[in-house]
Amino acid sequence: GAGVSQTPSNKVTEKGKYVELRCDPISGHTALYWYRQSLGQGPEFLIYFQGTGAADDSGLPNDRFFAVRPEGSVSTLKIQRTERGDSAVYLCASSLGGSGNTIYFGEGSWLTVV
Amino acid sequence: AQRVTQPEKLLSVFKGAPVELKCNYSYSGSPELFWYVQYSRQRLQLLLRHISRESIKGFTADLNKGETSFHLKKPFAQEEDSAMYYCALSRGLGSYGNKLVFGAGTILRVKS
Repeated sequence: GAGVSQTPSNKVTEKGKYVELRCDPISGHTALYWYRQSLGQGPEFLIYFQGTGAADDSGLPNDRFFAVRPEGSVSTLKIQRTERGDSAVYLCASSLGGSGNTIYFGEGSWLTVV
Repeated sequence: AQRVTQPEKLLSVFKGAPVELKCNYSYSGSPELFWYVQYSRQRLQLLLRHISRESIKGFTADLNKGETSFHLKKPFAQEEDSAMYYCALSRGLGSYGNKLVFGAGTILRVKS
């Protein structure tokens, strides 16, 4: 079956603009995660959804970042007033519910803010 | 605070040589440790997890709680092992899901 799908794969935007990144998880996966990976670093946790609700958003860096998952499937990460420091690969991942289940990652959305 | 340290940014070995990718962690509870691998132009994928105690593609890793380490080992490196390797620690999120804390990664380069 299809894996985690993310669009766009690449996005270049100007400083101050608004950006949306979309994630389509593996069918049936109730848990969905967003991570951010800056150059030379490992992925950093941003937010976790269980179903439609954000169960843990402790990794969001500030209030310019917001994510939704209105129907418990597709999720959108929204970044307002983008800054050059937001440039990174944004990874989405999903898993079955339950702490012992394998987390599957998408290929990422590469965001460049110029 | 949970932290994962991978001290080597790059490890270069010859084909057939043994490989050890180092990983140390800090965590006050009972950790679950993972190794993830990212091959060129592919997505991040799970290589192995300590609780399953399996050998995947010839790689093994043993959790050493005394030394807070989870080093990845393979006795004979192959060229197709060249990739970026990330060690990660999981803190459960209640009854559902995992929150992974990743190290910075180590590039493994296997030379012929």
